[in-house]
Amino acid sequence: DQQVKQNSPSLSVQEGRISILNCDYTNSMFDYFLWYKKYPAEGPTFLISISSIKDKNEDGRFTVFLNKSAKHLSLHIVPSQPGDSAVYFCAASSKNYNTDKLIFGTGTRLQVFP
Amino acid sequence: EPEVTQTPSHQVTQMGQEVILRCVPISNHLYFYWYRQILGQKVEFLVSFYNNEISEKSEIFDDQFSVERPDGSNFTLKIRSTKLEDSAMYFCASRANRDSPLHFGNGTRLTVT
Repeated sequence: DQQVKQNSPSLSVQEGRISILNCDYTNSMFDYFLWYKKYPAEGPTFLISISSIKDKNEDGRFTVFLNKSAKHLSLHIVPSQPGDSAVYFCAASSKNYNTDKLIFGTGTRLQVFP
Repeated sequence: EPEVTQTPSHQVTQMGQEVILRCVPISNHLYFYWYRQILGQKVEFLVSFYNNEISEKSEIFDDQFSVERPDGSNFTLKIRSTKLEDSAMYFCASRANRDSPLHFGNGTRLTVT
């Protein structure tokens, strides 16, 4: 069941540059999208979310873009910092369809090097 | 900052044994969840719990699984007769309401031998 896909298993970016993490989904009933960051031996930590009524949401260095027609979202981190090195998970849910379970992608491992 | 706590961090059990994974959600949260991640795979939803009952469960959550909120603070996941394929990292999560994001614990690594 590949409803949420993160096609890049890893990404390496230099400190100070922009990191762009991508996510695609197939279920048109998804109306709420989230990004989580995960360090080893820790649980996922919420980063940022976006509702399907918006196409952009920004929080500090993190911006999420949603393209509903393409069923695609992306997370931009700028400027990238070494502490951003972690696995990033995209997740989606259908809040308006009486279910609140999150469907996760497989994750992208981001490495930010000095 | 309040956090979801899970115990133990690592549990090793023999196939066929019962295990109970424990979680203390954030104190003012009302919605509780269990997710799991098999090594190398994606994080998968198991069950959601609200108002002292299961509100949704996945096909993974069969009769071998149960959840309980025995008091005002703990939220447990029981696996009655563990199988090798139950080996995974189990994450507990909670949130205050349906519009707030999930807060996850650090997980319990379950190893079934």
